Amino acid sequence: GDSVTQMEGPVTLSEEAFLTINCTYTATGYPSLFWYVQYPGEGLQLLLKATKADDKGSNKGFEATYRKETTSFHLEKGSVQVSDSAVYFCALRAPQGAQKLVFGQGTRLTINP
Amino acid sequence: GAVVSQHPSWVICKSGTSVKIECRSLDFQATTMFWYRQFPKQSLMLMATSNEGSKATYEQGVEKDKFLINHASLTLSTLTVTSAHPEDSSFYICSASGTSGRVYEQYFGPGTRLTVT
Repeated sequence: GDSVTQMEGPVTLSEEAFLTINCTYTATGYPSLFWYVQYPGEGLQLLLKATKADDKGSNKGFEATYRKETTSFHLEKGSVQVSDSAVYFCALRAPQGAQKLVFGQGTRLTINP
Repeated sequence: GAVVSQHPSWVICKSGTSVKIECRSLDFQATTMFWYRQFPKQSLMLMATSNEGSKATYEQGVEKDKFLINHASLTLSTLTVTSAHPEDSSFYICSASGTSGRVYEQYFGPGTRLTVT
């Protein structure tokens, strides 16, 4: 079945550091790919998405590119802030019209000032 | 827009009792709602998908008689954990999406932490 694998956390960085959180997936066809963020005490929020190969999703300085050849959707940010501290989830949605999301295990990110 | 609320945000109940969790879409009509369970430091596990006015579809391994889901209106779905046991303690998250021939994004509630003593 479909699955998502994320780099294990927790990840701790200093403010203004470069961030990469790896995400790879296994799926049939061309799924849509997502990054969700969960801030402390809040629900998951959609951070960015890409629906086809080579698409780049971006939001709030975060970027991720849909790489079909490596089945990856790595999350990057050039300069992180303390306010980026949260748990990040990579997810996919199968291409056949189903709404079901399959999530990775989540990566906890802590940014120190 | 696209706000989803859950109530209660946390609940403690005794073993053997039942507890109901509500999920509401506040500013849109949700024809489909999802219920997830999240264990500490683990991912979200989809429990079931419910469409307004019809029976929920449960994922493999989820006991439908234990986790009763009712999607009675376009803005409300409830999850009832019946005869709760300590192993049911978890973080339950709902999400909602609206459809009209298209697939919309899922919007997530803040979650409900259930502790069974």
